[in-house]
Amino acid sequence: QKEVEQDPGPLSVPEGAIVSLNCTYSNSAFQYFMWYRQYSRKGPELLMYTYSSGNKEDGRFTAQVDKSSKYISLFIRDSQPSDSATYLCAMSNSGSRLTFGEGTQLTVNP
Amino acid sequence: DSGVTQTPKHLITATGQRVTLRCSPRSGDLSVYWYQQSLDQGLQFLIQYYNGEERAKGNILERFSAQQFPDLHSELNLSSLELGDSALYFCASSEEAYYYNEQFFGPGTRLTVL
Repeated sequence: QKEVEQDPGPLSVPEGAIVSLNCTYSNSAFQYFMWYRQYSRKGPELLMYTYSSGNKEDGRFTAQVDKSSKYISLFIRDSQPSDSATYLCAMSNSGSRLTFGEGTQLTVNP
Repeated sequence: DSGVTQTPKHLITATGQRVTLRCSPRSGDLSVYWYQQSLDQGLQFLIQYYNGEERAKGNILERFSAQQFPDLHSELNLSSLELGDSALYFCASSEEAYYYNEQFFGPGTRLTVL
């Protein structure tokens, strides 16, 4: 069983929809939680970072971490075609090496 | 542009060969990480160097090795290549290694083994 599970999708939504992406994990030592966005043939770029449990909001993006359930989520409000990308969750217990989910491919249709 | 550079962008080679991938971290970053992204395994951590010293090791095969030079650039050497080594190889860099700080990813090197 993988340490981090993420539904690979693909996920297709109309422009303006609320998108919900999530990951589950098994390693209770994880305390740093990240969401990366990766456009086709590009390197991943950090979207959101959360330490331990709680919520964090940045513009249209909200990240939630529930350590008791070992479950993290990313919500995208008012989704735009430019949000079309692969979204990767990532976690770490030490702050250095990252363990990634498989990635969810998202398409936002105009 | 993350500030991390990787060369070459693409590499096509044959089984049994050896290749070297190069990474230059962002200015001021002391820590370099190597990741492999394949269709079946996703993005996997290979190895981390901090200021020239190996800091952490992940699922890196014995046929693979890496080093970080005094100017902080890093090289990943892949030898006795197999078809299954075909993947995207990413380098990332960060300022520190002992607590969380953002890792900035390079554009990757696409390796195709024929």
